[in-house]
Amino acid sequence: EAQVTQNPRYLITVTGKKLTVTCSQNMNHEYMSWYRQDPGLGLRQIYYSMNVEVTDKGDVPEGYKVSRKEKRNFPLILESPSPNQTSLYFCASSGLAGRETQYFGPGTRLLVL
Amino acid sequence: AQKITQTQPGMFVQEKEAVTLDCTYDTSDPSYGLFWYKQPSSGEMIFLIYQGSYDQQNATEGRYSLNFQKARKSANLVISASQLGDSAMYFCAMREAISGSARQLTFGSGTQLTVLP
Repeated sequence: EAQVTQNPRYLITVTGKKLTVTCSQNMNHEYMSWYRQDPGLGLRQIYYSMNVEVTDKGDVPEGYKVSRKEKRNFPLILESPSPNQTSLYFCASSGLAGRETQYFGPGTRLLVL
Repeated sequence: AQKITQTQPGMFVQEKEAVTLDCTYDTSDPSYGLFWYKQPSSGEMIFLIYQGSYDQQNATEGRYSLNFQKARKSANLVISASQLGDSAMYFCAMREAISGSARQLTFGSGTQLTVLP
C-alpha cells in the first residue's frame, strides 16, 4: 500500500529536550516536505527536499532542522523545542510531475510544556 | 496579501443537499494548480480534487466538482448530495511554478463543514 508514515503520532515533551519526528514514504517520491498546522492558519511549510541531500527552507523554518540521507526518509528535528512549537505536524511527499498531488502522513500531535 | 482566502470559517448543510465552499486565490504565475483537501476529525489530510490553470474544463471527482473561474481567481468546491461523513475541515491549496519550492502548497485557513441529519 502506498503511504507516508510518521512516528510518533503523539508526543508530549518539555522545553529544550531534543526530539525527532520520523517520516518515511514507499512511493519512491523525489519531493518531501514538512508542514505544521495551527488553528486559523491552515498548513504552513517548514522545510522541503527535492531529492537526497537537497533540502531548503519553507515559510516557517526557525527552530527546525531536517535531513535527507535516503530517498524514502525525511526526519524533522527539533533541537531545543519551545512551547510555540506545539502543533500538528504533517509530512508529505510527491513526484515531480506537474499534476501530482502531495500525499500526507497521518500527522504528529506535539505538545511542548 | 493572502495567497489563498477561504472566507467561510464554518458552514452547515442539510444531508442530501449540495454545498459550495469558497476559495479565492492570488497569483501572478500563469502556471499553477489548485487543490482541495478534506481533514476529518481524525486529522489525516485527504486529497479530493485538482484543477490546473490551463485545464479547459472544470475538474470533477465523483460528488466533488470544482467551479473554476479563472478571471475571478476563484476555485470553489461543490459537494453534491452531502453525506454525514462529509463533515470535516476543508482546505483549499495552491501550487505555483515560480515559488521557491516548485512543489510547495500554500493553504487557506480552512472551512469547517457540518452536515446535519
